[in-house]
Amino acid sequence: NAGVMQNPRHLVRRRGQEARLRCSPMKGHSHVYWYRQLPEEGLKFMVYLQKENIIDESGMPKERFSAEFPKEGPSILRIQQVVRGDSAAYFCASSPPVEGHYGYTFGSGTRLTVV
Amino acid sequence: AQSVSQHNHHVILSEAASLELGCNYSYGGTVNLFWYVQYPGQHLQLLLKYFSGDPLVKGIKGFEAEFIKSKFSFNLRKPSVQWSDTAEYFCAVKGSSASKIIFGSGTRLSIRP
Repeated sequence: NAGVMQNPRHLVRRRGQEARLRCSPMKGHSHVYWYRQLPEEGLKFMVYLQKENIIDESGMPKERFSAEFPKEGPSILRIQQVVRGDSAAYFCASSPPVEGHYGYTFGSGTRLTVV
Repeated sequence: AQSVSQHNHHVILSEAASLELGCNYSYGGTVNLFWYVQYPGQHLQLLLKYFSGDPLVKGIKGFEAEFIKSKFSFNLRKPSVQWSDTAEYFCAVKGSSASKIIFGSGTRLSIRP
């Protein structure tokens, strides 16, 4: 039973390009969460999605960032016109469709470097 | 709103020393509490969790944590650390009516062999 799969593991983008980060949740999990980890900082919540729905995007920057979790396929975190400050590790987590004390299962993360 | 504070940013211990990492949370209702560990270059793994019942929770690798409701605390302990415990440790909270888990800023643990 594969865990949470994120790809790519490492992504290098030039300023102004687009970054697309993908996350496939664990089998049987229908809730997906995206977190960003900046160097020397903790994990900051970005967005919580269920299939075809954004449930909570309170941590998402208002501009350039978007997320989706379509009916088929992985969840995508999209960053348009990347800037140096977007360089970070982006972690995806998933949880089962039962209210919440199970904790999350995390993927290995995508390390985005903007040059 | 829920929040988590980890006051120790970096802890350095010798092998076999006892460990206690502090965690305080802020939330007005029922909470679920978690400790996650992140080994160098790896993803977060769940160490232990509390959601009800016995406030003393035992996790993997000899770790335990105690939920003290009156102090809004959930400190992580281990009686005797090993070099392999070198990692970053994150405390996290999810309020019963909240939609997501909130993480503390983490405590980096370094163990001297």
